[in-house]
Amino acid sequence: KNQVEQSPQSLIILEGKNCTLQCNYTVSPFSNLRWYKQDTGRGPVSLTIMTFSENTKSNGRYTATLDADTKQSSLHITASQLSDSASYICVVSARGGGADGLTFGKGTHLIIQP
Amino acid sequence: GAGVSQSPRYKVAKRGQDVALRCDPISGHVSLFWYQQALGQGPEFLTYFQNEAQLDKSGLPSDRFFAERPEGSVSTLKIQRTQQEDSAVYLCASSLMDREFPYEQYFGPGTRLTVT
Repeated sequence: KNQVEQSPQSLIILEGKNCTLQCNYTVSPFSNLRWYKQDTGRGPVSLTIMTFSENTKSNGRYTATLDADTKQSSLHITASQLSDSASYICVVSARGGGADGLTFGKGTHLIIQP
Repeated sequence: GAGVSQSPRYKVAKRGQDVALRCDPISGHVSLFWYQQALGQGPEFLTYFQNEAQLDKSGLPSDRFFAERPEGSVSTLKIQRTQQEDSAVYLCASSLMDREFPYEQYFGPGTRLTVT
């Protein structure tokens, strides 16, 4: 069964510090991997989308990496801000659609403290 | 331009009642998805439409759940005889094309359903 595991489950860091969130997946055949940010009470918002051939993609202070061989991805947040407090969800898409076309991780709940 | 909108934002239903949740996707978006998100969990896929065709409904948890998109734009997710385990946030997302391609999915704010 396709699965996406994220770690840590939750993380608290001080404003201005950097952090890295992890995502391991067993989705096959792989199509693409997305990171979403979900603020409390809101829908997820896309940060990055990476296909098989891409191993890094940046969006402002967010940098995602992808290692398709080890089936791992990370999301690095630089110089964190209070507004970064949110859940970060890793989503992996399998080629061919079906019920496992999109597999969501449970998310990492990030809290930025002043 | 307007994003994906959902209504109502909050719904409280007594066990056994029927509910209908509405999703207005971004104009022109072909694909529409429904997800269920339990507290502290990631979204779980429910069903997928391409225009008016429901191509995948394998994620619907029971036959009490029914979704439609009759004209290929607005979609309604209906839950009959609600149970407490149906309490969750129901998210709708739309995208330009088929989900096999890395087209951006745009999510609505969700409807929080509480069954008492």
